[in-house]
Amino acid sequence: QVQLQQSGPGLVKPSQTLSLTCAISGDSVSRNRAAWNWIRQSPSRGLEWLGRTYYKSKWYYDYAVSVKSRISISPDTSRNQFSLQLNSVTPEDTAVYYCARELTGSAAFGIWGQGTMVTVSS
Amino acid sequence: DIVMTQSPDSLAVSLGERATINCKSSQSVLYNSNNQNYLAWYQQKPGQPPKLLIYWASARESGVPDRFSGSGSGTDFTLTISNLQAEDVAIYYCQQYYSTSTWTFGQGTKVEVK
Repeated sequence: QVQLQQSGPGLVKPSQTLSLTCAISGDSVSRNRAAWNWIRQSPSRGLEWLGRTYYKSKWYYDYAVSVKSRISISPDTSRNQFSLQLNSVTPEDTAVYYCARELTGSAAFGIWGQGTMVTVSS
Repeated sequence: DIVMTQSPDSLAVSLGERATINCKSSQSVLYNSNNQNYLAWYQQKPGQPPKLLIYWASARESGVPDRFSGSGSGTDFTLTISNLQAEDVAIYYCQQYYSTSTWTFGQGTKVEVK
């Protein structure tokens, strides 16, 4: 049974970098056709897809236009996990952040992490 | 981006009755080459992540009760909960995955018991 376990700080100062990690059990971050995503949810923006990484002979990355200049998603095969970095955060980035795995062959999100509430405040 | 609009924003249904939630996309999410609608439905309860119910507009995820069903094609979709149970109280979201790297969700529909 696949499980995703998130970790990372719940408070980040404005202009700094938000960093979260999603540890995978029951699957492999480098399995072909498995895609690993970050999604956030806030009252003002609703559910917002941020980006994903997947391995298909090489690593691929897709990012939402809204955060493309500030985001990086990195797989870590040695620890079987992937991480999110969001630079230059503002209070608008305050949200619950989720990691999620797509169903094979579709971008419906079948497995979710437990969520991490991140507040951007000084 | 494809905008997903759900209606109503909330509804109250008696136990055992039917709940119907609509989702409209600003452009078609039907992929002609495989005749699939790139549309999913989720259920979210307080303090929990969303849970996938339906994908490809009408395919039920494993373990989801058969009182949940999805229908529709192109730009208009429906999630039906027949025989509403107390545990179905939640917020429901639709999501399109037609347009790569610009996946979007509806604003959510809150279902309560009347």
